[in-house]
Amino acid sequence: KNQVEQSPQSLIILEGKNCTLQCNYTVSPFSNLRWYKQDTGRGPVSLTIMTFSENTKSNGRYTATLDADTKQSSLHITASQLSDSASYICVVSLTGFQKLVFGTGTRLLVSP
Amino acid sequence: DTGVSQDPRHKITKRGQNVTFRCDPISEHNRLYWYRQTLGQGPEFLTYFQNEAQLEKSRLLSDRFSAERPKGSFSTLEIQRTEQGDSAMYLCASSLGGKSNQPQHFGDGTRLSIL
Repeated sequence: KNQVEQSPQSLIILEGKNCTLQCNYTVSPFSNLRWYKQDTGRGPVSLTIMTFSENTKSNGRYTATLDADTKQSSLHITASQLSDSASYICVVSLTGFQKLVFGTGTRLLVSP
Repeated sequence: DTGVSQDPRHKITKRGQNVTFRCDPISEHNRLYWYRQTLGQGPEFLTYFQNEAQLEKSRLLSDRFSAERPKGSFSTLEIQRTEQGDSAMYLCASSLGGKSNQPQHFGDGTRLSIL
């Protein structure tokens, strides 16, 4: 069964601190892995997309890594800001299909 | 680029009624997707259009659900004889065709509440 699991479920950090979110997937055939940010009551917004051959990709203070051998990814947030408070969703795309398989997300709260 | 637009933002209706949602994708995007998201969960794929053709449908899309994209631009999602389990956020996304790693751009969804 195609699954995407994320940890932790929720996280509270102080403003200015760094954090790392984890994603494990059992999706085949794998095409690419995406991280999305979803604010409460809004649609998800794309942060990064990585294909099989990419190990890391950055978007400002967000850096995603991918280990296709172990089927693991992480999202590192540097120097967190209050506006980073949101759900971060790991998403895997299957080769040959248009559907995306979403994780349940990590809810991040950045506290002042 | 005005983004993906969904209407209405909120819909409250009684069980058994029919509802229809509209999605206007980013104008040059030929691919359009519908997802359903319940509280605390990630979105679940419902269906996908390339231009006006509906190419993929999830098993979640029961026969009470129908989606159309008549001219390859906007799309509608209709739910007939609504049930309480249909309460969710319905998200629409669009993307450019071509490479598989094109990002999907999401609208802010229609939140459906069934009384």
